[in-house]
Amino acid sequence: DAKTTQPTSMDCAEGRAANLPCNHSTISGNEYVYWYRQIHSQGPQYIIHGLKNNETNEMASLIITEDRKSSTLILPHATLRDTAVYYCIVSDPYSGGGADGLTFGKGTHLIIQP
Amino acid sequence: KAGVTQTPRYLIKTRGQQVTLSCSPISGHRSVSWYQQTPGQGLQFLFEYFSETQRNKGNFPGRFSGRQFSNSRSEMNVSTLELGDSALYLCASSSLAGFYNEQFFGPGTRLTVL
Repeated sequence: DAKTTQPTSMDCAEGRAANLPCNHSTISGNEYVYWYRQIHSQGPQYIIHGLKNNETNEMASLIITEDRKSSTLILPHATLRDTAVYYCIVSDPYSGGGADGLTFGKGTHLIIQP
Repeated sequence: KAGVTQTPRYLIKTRGQQVTLSCSPISGHRSVSWYQQTPGQGLQFLFEYFSETQRNKGNFPGRFSGRQFSNSRSEMNVSTLELGDSALYLCASSSLAGFYNEQFFGPGTRLTVL
């Protein structure tokens, strides 16, 4: 069963903030939330990850709700180059020495409109 | 720093043949993971190698195997190819074992089985 639920697709206007939601209601205490994106015909690219605190880096911000059952990835000023499939992944990186790798679901196809 | 490189980029084989794909990680990275990406199943974890040892394996048949060399370069082998093995094969490298750290993905090898 999928650990995360994401909308299939979203549109966002160029220059605006893109907010991508992810539901992970069965997340366990040791599981982190990771975000990767895949631009067409390229390998996935790491964006950000967090456990329970909000995180920010040069690419994006990750907002995790207090109960950790959902999160939102924010791209503050979307550009056309941000058009990609965005994957929200929940994983315990230390379980069983690495467990099952990163489990990518279907992701959200984000389309930035000019 | 050079990124993850994969060779060849494209490959065409026929059913029953075998194939070997190569992945060179980022210099200094000792963890290499392999993924299969198909339109129907999405990105699926194959296996992870760290310091020449397979640490984890996904749910794939024994026809899929891999190894890692002392210089951290990794190869993946698929024997007795089937039509369903047509996919984009991605490798990712990381500085540490497991999946806590950022995974750097290569561009992939596109395998077509006829």
